[in-house]
Amino acid sequence: QVQLQESGPGLVKPSETVSLTCTISGGPISDYYWGWIRQPPGKGLEWIGYIFLSDTTHYNPSLKSRITISVDGSKNQFSLKLSDVTAADTAVYYCTRRGYNDVWGRGTLVTVSS
Amino acid sequence: DIVMTQFPDSLAVSLGERATINCRSSQTVLSRSLNKSHLAWFQQKPGQPPHLLISWASTRESGVPDRFSGSGSGTDFTLSISSLQAEDVAVYYCQQYYSTPYTFGQGTKLEIK
Repeated sequence: QVQLQESGPGLVKPSETVSLTCTISGGPISDYYWGWIRQPPGKGLEWIGYIFLSDTTHYNPSLKSRITISVDGSKNQFSLKLSDVTAADTAVYYCTRRGYNDVWGRGTLVTVSS
Repeated sequence: DIVMTQFPDSLAVSLGERATINCRSSQTVLSRSLNKSHLAWFQQKPGQPPHLLISWASTRESGVPDRFSGSGSGTDFTLSISSLQAEDVAVYYCQQYYSTPYTFGQGTKLEIK
């Protein structure tokens, strides 16, 4: 059974870059789309983007200039980098599998504050 | 972007009664080649990640109780809970995965009357 686990810094300062990693256990990183979704406290879900086989990415245009999603196949991990963060980026960040998000990590809270 | 609109925003239903949540997309999410609608339903309980209930508009995920069912095609979709249980209290979201950026409905909060 595939499981996902997010990891990240928790607290970042405005204008900095936050890096999050999703570790996949119980299955290979190949053959599936892997994505990121975020949820500000008390609010709804926002799709960030996905990656497939290291070289195919789709990003939400609202974030496109600030995000990079990459894969490290040797570690069975994929990552999200979000640059120039503001308070509006404060959210729980989830990593997921497939376009219809059949597997989710438990999420990691990223708080942007000075 | 495809806009997903759910209604109602909140719903209170008595235990054992039927609950119905609707979702409408601003454009079709029906793939003609697959003859399937790219529409998913999720349940989210407080402090937990969303949980996939239904994919392809009507395919129930393994382990999901059969009181949950999805229907609809094209732009109009429905999630039904045939006999509400106390553990079904949650926020429910629809999501289209037909075209990027994938988008979610605003959520429907389901409570016990």
